[in-house]
Amino acid sequence: NAGVTQTPKFQVLKTGQSMTLQCAQDMNHNSMYWYRQDPGMGLRLIYYSASEGTTDKGEVPNGYNVSRLNKREFSLRLESAAPSQTSVYFCASKPAGYYNEQFFGPGTRLTVL
Amino acid sequence: KQEVTQIPAALSVPEGENLVLNCSFTDSAIYNLQWFRQDPGKGLTSLLLIQSSQREQTSGRLNASLDKSSGRSTLYIAASQPGDSATYLCAVDWGTSGSRLTFGEGTQLTVNP
Repeated sequence: NAGVTQTPKFQVLKTGQSMTLQCAQDMNHNSMYWYRQDPGMGLRLIYYSASEGTTDKGEVPNGYNVSRLNKREFSLRLESAAPSQTSVYFCASKPAGYYNEQFFGPGTRLTVL
Repeated sequence: KQEVTQIPAALSVPEGENLVLNCSFTDSAIYNLQWFRQDPGKGLTSLLLIQSSQREQTSGRLNASLDKSSGRSTLYIAASQPGDSATYLCAVDWGTSGSRLTFGEGTQLTVNP
């Protein structure tokens, strides 16, 4: 099992450009999540998908959109990138049930100039 | 507001020392608490998950305890090694929709040879 995979690993954008971050998991997990990690602010939830076909906003959704393409894949889109979106983005997944762990991908380091 | 705090932000110890990392949370009605390890430039690796009904969990040299009434969890690392150097994060699931996690900012641990 590859676990949770993310592409790309690194990306540099100019202000106003758009891009999509890809995430896939091969563990048959129901729930998937997108977080961003910034120095001094810890990890904050952007969007999540509790199950295939559903998506909901997290703590910091502004400027982002998501798509739960199928049970395996959950993508994060930046329509018009801003310097404030410079961050490390992590995707995670979790099996159904309250007492199960979240598993994280390796992250995408995004710089917006 | 439901918040998670980790103090200290950084800790440096000599090899072989037993150490305790602290995590506090503002609302005792948790479903579970998860401890993670993050190496520089890497994703998060789950170490232990404690369910709300449990008092502690052990994995190798790691022992995590939970005291809901006082809003605290500790991660005990026995006989620390330089390879334990990393940032340790705790995260709480308060049973919200999608089993969302709220993270502390982490404790950066350095174990000196």
